[in-house]
Amino acid sequence: SQKIEQNSEALNIQEGKTATLTCNYTNYSPAYLQWYRQDPGRGPVFLLLIRENEKEKRKERLKVTFDTTLKQSLFHITASQPADSATYLCALGSDNYGQNFVFGPGTRLSVLP
Amino acid sequence: DAGITQSPRHKVTETGTPVTLRCHQTENHRYMYWYRQDPGHGLRLIHYSYGVKDTDKGEVSDGYSVSRSKTEDFLLTLESATSSQTSVYFCAISDPGDPPGTQYFGPGTRLTVL
Repeated sequence: SQKIEQNSEALNIQEGKTATLTCNYTNYSPAYLQWYRQDPGRGPVFLLLIRENEKEKRKERLKVTFDTTLKQSLFHITASQPADSATYLCALGSDNYGQNFVFGPGTRLSVLP
Repeated sequence: DAGITQSPRHKVTETGTPVTLRCHQTENHRYMYWYRQDPGHGLRLIHYSYGVKDTDKGEVSDGYSVSRSKTEDFLLTLESATSSQTSVYFCAISDPGDPPGTQYFGPGTRLTVL
């Protein structure tokens, strides 16, 4: 069955450092991968999408890589801030409208001042 | 939360009672989804809709039904609630004009079944 793992349940880093979150998957051939941010008591918010034929995507302080050979995505937040503290979810999709979307369990990131 | 509201936001009910959760959107998006989120499982798709009166089952649809009589409303019904349905329920929407698969989520409904 399809399975997505995110490197750890929780990650603590110091402010100003780069946070790196990992998403690994098995038994899936995604056409794209997405990262979402979720704050406590709120719904997930879309951050970035990367397609299977793209190696890297950047948006401001965020960078995502996607290696379909390793079946892995890395999500980096550079110059991290306490406001970046949240749970980050990766999601894999193979169609245009999310019917076959699979979400990972999430990694809770805490950026310490 | 992208013009999506969910009601109620919190509900406590007893085993065996019917429960209906409502999702309302003002974005006129075509696709709507119901997910449940449980610790250690991530978000799991219950049902989705690709248009008025057009719905289909997701990964964990047993014990749930849905209806969509208007573009803006998507209802999730638990016919006879069980304790295993205690969870946080999220509604999401998407549209063909957005990047593939991109979904916009509502604020969630926390349901407790005693």
